[in-house]
Amino acid sequence: DVKVTQSSRYLVKRTGEKVFLECVQDMDHENMFWYRQDPGLGLRLIYFSYDVKMKEKGDIPEGYSVSREKKERFSLILESASTNQTSMYLCASRTSGPYNEQFFGPGTRLTVL
Amino acid sequence: DAKTTQPTSMDCAEGRAANLPCNHSTISGNEYVYWYRQIHSQGPQYIIHGLKNNETNEMASLIITEDRKSSTLILPHATLRDTAVYYCIVRVLTGTASKLTFGTGTRLQVTL
Repeated sequence: DVKVTQSSRYLVKRTGEKVFLECVQDMDHENMFWYRQDPGLGLRLIYFSYDVKMKEKGDIPEGYSVSREKKERFSLILESASTNQTSMYLCASRTSGPYNEQFFGPGTRLTVL
Repeated sequence: DAKTTQPTSMDCAEGRAANLPCNHSTISGNEYVYWYRQIHSQGPQYIIHGLKNNETNEMASLIITEDRKSSTLILPHATLRDTAVYYCIVRVLTGTASKLTFGTGTRLQVTL
């Protein structure tokens, strides 16, 4: 059974803290994605990666960075967390080729106080 | 990027067919229509996709109009477990990976 896991389901951090959100997939997928989901705004793409050490900005990359040192792991980093980064964060992966489905993790609900 | 328009919410009685519409009037010729759903507290789940022909799988059917400006997802016999937010997405190619642009979706409530 395919699986995308995220390090935490719930996380509470303080303003200014550095935050790491980890995502691991066991499907040997080349492509990995980070989204955030907010009420009334749907899912918005933050960053994605199509290979190890490769990354591309999505629609809302400001305030975030990513790291992909190994194929199975894609990390989202909030260098200095702010309250407007309180959100649900979703990781996804898929194999190469333009038309394959994305598999999503369960999400991490981050609260920044 | 082609945008999609969906109703905010719909209700459906259990056992009946749920027909979820989507408008994508600016879709271009090589863009596929994808449907995902998100059950509460879970990540989105792929349902089905198509280009211009109707498609069917074990979860649903997808009907795309001849001009491709709209489509309908059909859940033939809705159950309570189908209660979810359903997203209609047009696939955009960006570089060597393609991204999904999610809208706000349709919240389907299946009732007894």
